[in-house]
Amino acid sequence: ELKVEQNPLFLSMQEGKNYTIYCNYSTTSDRLYWYRQDPGKSLESLFVLLSNGAVKQEGRLMASLDTKARLSTLHITAAVHDLSATYFCAVDRASGSRLTFGEGTQLTVNP
Amino acid sequence: ETGVTQSPTHLIKTRGQQVTLRCSSQSGHNTVSWYQQALGQGPQFIFQYYREEENGRGNFPPRFSGLQFPNYSSELNVNALELDDSALYLCASSYSGWKETQYFGPGTRLLVL
Repeated sequence: ELKVEQNPLFLSMQEGKNYTIYCNYSTTSDRLYWYRQDPGKSLESLFVLLSNGAVKQEGRLMASLDTKARLSTLHITAAVHDLSATYFCAVDRASGSRLTFGEGTQLTVNP
Repeated sequence: ETGVTQSPTHLIKTRGQQVTLRCSSQSGHNTVSWYQQALGQGPQFIFQYYREEENGRGNFPPRFSGLQFPNYSSELNVNALELDDSALYLCASSYSGWKETQYFGPGTRLLVL
């Protein structure tokens, strides 16, 4: 059974600081996704990582994938309040878009 | 191009009742997946439909069933509702091709009393 673990589950940080969210998964997978969810809202796709060593960046967020270590990271640079949300990583169980999600990391960026 | 839509947005039911949730996939997408997200947890895969056939199922009992229509819209039906069925139900659509991202709808929040 595929398991996906994120840490930390809760993260409170100050504006301007850097931090990293970690996502470990238990079995080989082809694709890893990062999603953002605002309270009471749906999931917004942030990144799709398809191969070992993949790195993608959008604004203050950068995601990377190490398939050998079964680890993905989401790095936040110079955080701003607008980044406050819950971030999920999700792994494809098979080539068919059946995602297994982590528990989510609730990020709060304080002024 | 329209995104994924779901209806209704909110629903209140009592234990033992039945409910039907609806999802319209994004234009050009032929695959619909349903997820259940309990409060404070990550979404859990319920099942997936591809070209009107069920194409994979998660650890959910048979009282969770679904349909996909020729226009690729989909329904999720839940019979004999239980209190633990209270959750946000998310529909996601994608094109079945390799390396395609799933796009999620706004969700239906179901409360079972």
